[in-house]
Amino acid sequence: GAVVSQHPSRVICKSGTSVKIECRSLDFQATTMFWYRQFPKQSLMLMATSNEGSKATYEQGVEKDKFLINHASLTLSTLTVTSAHPEDSSFYICSARDPIRDREPYEQYFGPGTRLTVT
Amino acid sequence: GENVEQHPSTLSVQEGDSAVIKCTYSDSASNYFPWYKQELGKRPQLIIDIRSNVGEKKDQRIAVTLNKTAKHFSLHITETQPEDSAVYFCAASIPPTNAGKSTFGDGTTLTVKP
Repeated sequence: GAVVSQHPSRVICKSGTSVKIECRSLDFQATTMFWYRQFPKQSLMLMATSNEGSKATYEQGVEKDKFLINHASLTLSTLTVTSAHPEDSSFYICSARDPIRDREPYEQYFGPGTRLTVT
Repeated sequence: GENVEQHPSTLSVQEGDSAVIKCTYSDSASNYFPWYKQELGKRPQLIIDIRSNVGEKKDQRIAVTLNKTAKHFSLHITETQPEDSAVYFCAASIPPTNAGKSTFGDGTTLTVKP
């Protein structure tokens, strides 16, 4: 149980275009999902906390107009990178908690990640 | 906000030896401390975790210790094997009732030489 998927796994886009990444909880409902980005040989940096039915909470320094997050259902959160530039190239990973299965919902279940390359 | 420091950044051991990775955190509200193993291009995998009401936890060759007073926690891997080679991240999480955010350390690249 507690499986999180992401789509697409890899995407290449041209500078100036927008890219949407989907994060799905497959066997549980996630009221909260997290979006991270990871540059090569670096740590996971939290970008935003996605809450079902409400606005996402962005970390300091993350442009909310550039990284649009929508958490429209209990099993789906999307991250849209708008007007992408080469410096947005990175590994984007989502995670979710299962507040029903886990008595104390601390553990995060990570998606497999999306490799974005902007040319 | 929370600040997590992790040391060392790289660690090379001989197969069969032990490996220790240490982390410190700053926010006393953090009460959940997971350790992740990440292979290149893959998602982080939870290998062990500890909660603030516990001082030590062990799972076969892996153990974690937590010193709440000093705000540090450590990962211990015994009898290392080449397949243990990966990047390891520690994290500190505040309670889910307070957003449940996790802050990650910078990672340790562990190399186990056969």
